[in-house]
Amino acid sequence: GENVEQHPSTLSVQEGDSAVIKCTYSDSASNYFPWYKQELGKGPQLIIDIRSNVGEKKDQRIAVTLNKTAKHFSLHITETQPEDSAVYFCAAYPGGYQKVTFGTGTKLQVIP
Amino acid sequence: GAGVSQSPSNKVTEKGKDVELRCDPISGHTALYWYRQSLGQGLEFLIYFQGNSAPDKSGLPSDRFSAERTGGSVSTLTIQRTQQEDSAVYLCASSLAGGGSHNQPQHFGDGTRLSIL
Repeated sequence: GENVEQHPSTLSVQEGDSAVIKCTYSDSASNYFPWYKQELGKGPQLIIDIRSNVGEKKDQRIAVTLNKTAKHFSLHITETQPEDSAVYFCAAYPGGYQKVTFGTGTKLQVIP
Repeated sequence: GAGVSQSPSNKVTEKGKDVELRCDPISGHTALYWYRQSLGQGLEFLIYFQGNSAPDKSGLPSDRFSAERTGGSVSTLTIQRTQQEDSAVYLCASSLAGGGSHNQPQHFGDGTRLSIL
């Protein structure tokens, strides 16, 4: 089955700096990669996603890049703000089936 | 519109009791998932329902755990003879049907925080 590794497990950045979280996956058939943000006491919320026919996608301060050859994808947050502090999860969906594999999460702390 | 709704938001019960957790998915979403999240940990897949197909129960940790989905909508996760190690947040998610090149994102509820005394 699919295996997703996520790094780092914790990340502290100064407000205004950029943050990068990386995930690698094992199943070359995976073709959809969403990112979720989970705030304390809440369920994960989708923040951005990318499909395998696209190399990069941006939404304001958030971007995701995908390298299918190397089987890794990354979340980039620019101009970080305190409200970006949360746990972020990556995920990989195998083709033809909806059972998704999640990464282990990254706790991001943005220091004012 | 309304998101995924879970109830209760918190549940405290004694070891050995049975508990039922409820999930109301987003209207029109045919796929429904249950996950378990221990404190500070990731998402552990429990069970997946897709339309009228047989559910994928491969993540259920023991036969004390079961889930139903009635009428293709509301789902109930039941834990019998609860143990202290069952203490966790139980998250439900739903999505539109997908597969192949049309995978759809999951939308999560805020979970039920279960505490076993």
